[in-house]
Amino acid sequence: QQKVQQSPESLTVSEGAMASLNCTFSDRSSDNFRWYRQHSGKGLEVLVSIFSDGEKEEGSFTAHLNRASLHVFLHIREPQPSDSALYLCAVRPTGGYKVVFGSGTRLLVSP
Amino acid sequence: DMKVTQMPRYLIKRMGENVLLECGQDMSHETMYWYRQDPGLGLQLIYISYDVDSNSEGDIPKGYRVSRKKREHFSLILDSAKTNQTSVYFCASSLGTTDYTFGSGTRLLVI
Repeated sequence: QQKVQQSPESLTVSEGAMASLNCTFSDRSSDNFRWYRQHSGKGLEVLVSIFSDGEKEEGSFTAHLNRASLHVFLHIREPQPSDSALYLCAVRPTGGYKVVFGSGTRLLVSP
Repeated sequence: DMKVTQMPRYLIKRMGENVLLECGQDMSHETMYWYRQDPGLGLQLIYISYDVDSNSEGDIPKGYRVSRKKREHFSLILDSAKTNQTSVYFCASSLGTTDYTFGSGTRLLVI
């Protein structure tokens, strides 16, 4: 049974400072990783999807996958107060249908 | 524009009433999902449907049932709603085991 954990639970950074979020998964055969952003009371916004080890950049968001260490990171470059939200990691195993989510990291970007 | 549509967006029901949440997709995806999101728990899988009348329980199916009579439409039914079913419900669809898309969610309050 795939387990996905995110850390930290909450994070406060100053505007313009790099924010780094961590997602740890248990099934090394997973090959479909996605980061979502969710503003309070809103739906899920896809930030970046990554399917192989290495980095994938989408605007100010960079995902870094290392399956050997069972980690996928999200780095947010020069975050703005509007980036304050809940960030969710989603993992899907190779050839599998079920998507497993972490419990999220709540990011606060202070002006 | 390919999308997953959920109706209604907001719903208030009294304990013991029946609840019907509807989800539609226009991408001819064969697989559809229902998740619920609660604070601190991320998204948890309720049911997965692999195609018409081919449904499987997810991780938290108790208190729910589903119906899929057309490929583009997947319903979540709560018979005699309970207050602990107050949550945000998300529907998703996927084509095979590659891409997947989430709807905007339905906020259900059971009083």
